[in-house]
Amino acid sequence: EVQLVESGGGLVQPGGSLRLSCAASGFTFSSYWMHWVRQVPGKGLVWVARIDSDGTDTTYADSVKGRFTISRDNAKNTVFLHMNSLRVDDTAVYYCARVTVGASATEFDYWGQGTLVSVSS
Amino acid sequence: QTVVTQEPSLTVSPGGTVTLTCASSTGAVSSGSYPNWFQQNPGQAPRSLIYNTDNKHSWTPARFSGSLLGGKAALTLSGVKPEDGAEYFCLLYYGGVWVFGGGTKLTVL
Repeated sequence: EVQLVESGGGLVQPGGSLRLSCAASGFTFSSYWMHWVRQVPGKGLVWVARIDSDGTDTTYADSVKGRFTISRDNAKNTVFLHMNSLRVDDTAVYYCARVTVGASATEFDYWGQGTLVSVSS
Repeated sequence: QTVVTQEPSLTVSPGGTVTLTCASSTGAVSSGSYPNWFQQNPGQAPRSLIYNTDNKHSWTPARFSGSLLGGKAALTLSGVKPEDGAEYFCLLYYGGVWVFGGGTKLTVL
């Protein structure tokens, strides 16, 4: 059974840092790209970042570029989101999602349950 | 800044058919935008429904279908059931980055 379990969320002050983790199980983690998506409670989904299967290529939404870093440890089946210079508007539930990428296909399939990040003084 | 637009809300009767659309501010949506569609119920994580315009996951009910319609990505629900009332989001690819639509709240009434 495919499982994605996020952790690391919590309350942090503006300007602070946090590292989110997404532990994967039930599949060959190193074969899949991984994405982070966030959602302010009651609002829409916002794409944040993605990393390719071997961790050599990453892309980010403009709103987090230069502040957030996505990385992965394929030996530990875990993807991370390192968040620096946090702002109040980074407050959201953060989800990780598994993505299959082919020659002409991009398939989002499994999602974690999310972890809440609250940025407040 | 790229904007992806969905209908904010739609209402459909049980057993009816409804089409949700997903438009891009950059122009016509194509298969190269790899449209994905997701369903989300309150308090729950998103659930993937459709990928690459019109491909279903093994768990996607047959009444859901994806397509390109009039320059937009579209999600059609045929024979709607009460449990289909939820928020639906589309996601489009823009050369390395992805953008979600604002979501459509579907009410089954």
